[in-house]
Amino acid sequence: GAGVSQSPSNKVTEKGKDVELRCDPISGHTALYWYRQSLGQGLEFLIYFQGNSAPDKSGLPSDRFSAERTGGSVSTLTIQRTQQEDSAVYLCASSAHSGSSYNEQFFGPGTRLTVL
Amino acid sequence: KNQVEQSPQSLIILEGKNCTLQCNYTVSPFSNLRWYKQDTGRGPVSLTIMTFSENTKSNGRYTATLDADTKQSSLHITASQLSDSASYICVPKGVGGGSQGNLIFGKGTKLSVKP
Repeated sequence: GAGVSQSPSNKVTEKGKDVELRCDPISGHTALYWYRQSLGQGLEFLIYFQGNSAPDKSGLPSDRFSAERTGGSVSTLTIQRTQQEDSAVYLCASSAHSGSSYNEQFFGPGTRLTVL
Repeated sequence: KNQVEQSPQSLIILEGKNCTLQCNYTVSPFSNLRWYKQDTGRGPVSLTIMTFSENTKSNGRYTATLDADTKQSSLHITASQLSDSASYICVPKGVGGGSQGNLIFGKGTKLSVKP
């Protein structure tokens, strides 16, 4: 009955390295979102998964960013060749489904990524 | 372009005092607006959602107002507690707009409640 979980909670990496961030949504939630939150900025939409539909990747800032969702549950956000500007908190959220405009998104605690 | 602006950017109040946070948005056509509370190091948590036809909605010591004509919303916190220290994020949502439905996150107001 836990909420959305994310791992790791903190990740420090060197510029140029690849990183993988994991999200475990609430069981039964079909919609999953990834956001990026930079210091002093609002949440920036990255990518959205809904069931078996093709993901909405319109928010990914570059082709270094990719995400997948296996079995309609766990999702992994991958950032290749990390840059210092990738440093931010990466938040994952899930909701029951996106058919209604009123579905609440439940957020995980985020992964704080620091690129040195 | 859909935008949302929140004010003040930050606020410090004494425990027990009231405060009001403001949100102006340009999302159109408008569907609904949520206020989220984000504690430090945590993800945002929804406090309340308001639809086009609602003017006021309360959730405990939190009261949100909405004026869909002027595209303004406020969040009033009564008898503040130390645990109210957090960022409060206004999120208006448009009609349609694909999977994200024109979901726009404000930058938030950082509230600090001091003893």
